[in-house]
Amino acid sequence: EVQLLESGGGLVQPGGSLRLSCAASGFTFSTYAMRWVRQAPGKGLEWVSTVGSSGGPTAYADSVKGRFTISRDNSKNTLYLQMTSLRAEDTAVYYCGKNQGDYSRAIDYWGQGTLVTVSS
Amino acid sequence: EIVLTQSPGTLSLSPGERATLSCRASQTVSNSYLVWYQQKPGQAPRLLIYGTSTRATGIPDRFSGSGSGTDFTLTISRLEPEDFAVYYCQQYGGSSLTFGGGTKVEIK
Repeated sequence: EVQLLESGGGLVQPGGSLRLSCAASGFTFSTYAMRWVRQAPGKGLEWVSTVGSSGGPTAYADSVKGRFTISRDNSKNTLYLQMTSLRAEDTAVYYCGKNQGDYSRAIDYWGQGTLVTVSS
Repeated sequence: EIVLTQSPGTLSLSPGERATLSCRASQTVSNSYLVWYQQKPGQAPRLLIYGTSTRATGIPDRFSGSGSGTDFTLTISRLEPEDFAVYYCQQYGGSSLTFGGGTKVEIK
């Protein structure tokens, strides 16, 4: 059974940093691209970042480019999102997701999400 | 960046009725990369349809997707109580994903 478990969310002050983790199990982690998607309270879904199966290439939404860094450790089956220079508008539930495959670019499995709140 | 516009914002229907949800793109989207998700309150999204019309594993056949170019549709043939939720379309292009704003299907 595929499982994705995010952690690392919490309350952080504007300008602060946070690192999210996503522990994966139930599939061959090293062969799939992975994504982060976020959802602000009461709002829709927003793609944040993607990383290829071997750690590259990476891609970012314009709203986080230069502030967030996606990475992965295939030896630990773990995906990361390093977030710096956080702003109030980064407040959201952050989901990690498994790419279904290059043929669809859909997210076929999602974690339960971790809440990041940016506030003073 | 391709913008996806979903309509209507809210659809009020009764169980057993047919639901038709629209997703319109600002530019042509590859049929391979048009996806639909369902999200219920407090839950993560669930993959429903990929490649415009292929149901994901375990998705009942009352859900169907269609369309091409810039106009795509998700149809729920007969609404079951568990189908009342928010539905999002998503496309992939130029190494990024974009989501539509969502359509809420609520009980009338």
